[in-house]
Amino acid sequence: LAKTTQPISMDSYEGQEVNITCSHNNIATNDYITWYQQFPSQGPRFIIQGYKTKVTNEVASLFIPADRKSSTLSLPRVSLSDTAVYYCLVGGGNTDKLIFGTGTRLQVFP
Amino acid sequence: DAGITQSPRHKVTETGTPVTLRCHQTENHRYMYWYRQDPGHGLRLIHYSYGVKDTDKGEVSDGYSVSRSKTEDFLLTLESATSSQTSVYFCASTQGLDQPQHFGDGTRLSIL
Repeated sequence: LAKTTQPISMDSYEGQEVNITCSHNNIATNDYITWYQQFPSQGPRFIIQGYKTKVTNEVASLFIPADRKSSTLSLPRVSLSDTAVYYCLVGGGNTDKLIFGTGTRLQVFP
Repeated sequence: DAGITQSPRHKVTETGTPVTLRCHQTENHRYMYWYRQDPGHGLRLIHYSYGVKDTDKGEVSDGYSVSRSKTEDFLLTLESATSSQTSVYFCASTQGLDQPQHFGDGTRLSIL
């Protein structure tokens, strides 16, 4: 099973770009990398998913190097409402089990 | 997420009593998951299902059992609740392993 490691917490200010890196050294060939956002008292919410290189949607970008042993979630110009916990999830390849890491708590200040 | 609901949303019970949590999804998703969330541990997988009557253990399955008699329902049972099972429980579903999971809003369970 692919185990993920993320920083426990990060601080930023409004308008800045935030990059959160996730390490997943034993990612399997068929595994996908998915990021979720969680606000207090709510379930995690999907942000972005990728397999390799770069993926971009309306809220974030996901950068995956060629060896796929890490990935970086990039949030452009964060606002106070981006204060949340962000989870990296690796899986979906050779196993049904989807294991979350401990998440990164992002605090955005005015 | 629209389409996945958990019940009850809150429950307080006593040690030793049986507890069943229900997850209901209307998306016809094949896979369903139960997680618990505790401070400092993130989301930990309890059990999951890959089809009707097909289930398997996750990371922290001791003390829990599950059942899935219909595609839309996934039940989590604590046969004899203990205080260490006080937690927030989340259910999730997805159609495929390469698709994002959709989560319910959680059940806050307190065992006194």
